[in-house]
Amino acid sequence: NAGVMQNPRHLVRRRGQEARLRCSPMKGHSHVYWYRQLPEEGLKFMVYLQKENIIDESGMPKERFSAEFPKEGPSILRIQQVVRGDSAAYFCASSPTGQSTDTQYFGPGTRLTVL
Amino acid sequence: SQQGEEDPQALSIQEGENATMNCSYKTSINNLQWYRQNSGRGLVHLILIRSNEREKHSGRLRVTLDTSKKSSSLLITASRAADTASYFCATDLGTSYGKLTFGQGTILTVHP
Repeated sequence: NAGVMQNPRHLVRRRGQEARLRCSPMKGHSHVYWYRQLPEEGLKFMVYLQKENIIDESGMPKERFSAEFPKEGPSILRIQQVVRGDSAAYFCASSPTGQSTDTQYFGPGTRLTVL
Repeated sequence: SQQGEEDPQALSIQEGENATMNCSYKTSINNLQWYRQNSGRGLVHLILIRSNEREKHSGRLRVTLDTSKKSSSLLITASRAADTASYFCATDLGTSYGKLTFGQGTILTVHP
């Protein structure tokens, strides 16, 4: 039973380019969370999605960031026109029911570097 | 100010010693969780304690929760070099779904 998969593991972009980060949840999990971790800091919640629905995007910057979790395929975190401040590790996590008592299973993260 | 602040920021001990990390939070919660992160890796869930629980054990881990003080502690007994990692507490801010708020973490170094 594969764990949460994220790709790419490392992504380098120049300022102004787009970054697409993918997350495949654990088998049977339909709840996905995205977090961002800046160097030497804890994780910050970005967005919570169920299949085809955004439930809570209160942690997403208002511009340039979007997320989706289609009926088929992985969840995508998209960052348009990246800036240096977007450089961070982006983690997704999945859980079976979405309840706060669930264990969230984390992927290995995508480390985005913006040049 | 930040929900879920860990103390100390860094802890260095010898193998075999116990390590205690503390976490404070500001709002009401349903649950509090502790996670471990090895350098450059994702987070691994260690233990969840519900707001109506005071203490929980899992192997060499012991977690306490004091909701009146809005604080929790994680004790690792008989530490090993492999316990070297960052440890984070995470709270749900009272939400019914898993919107976790993490502290900045405690960096634990266990010397062989």
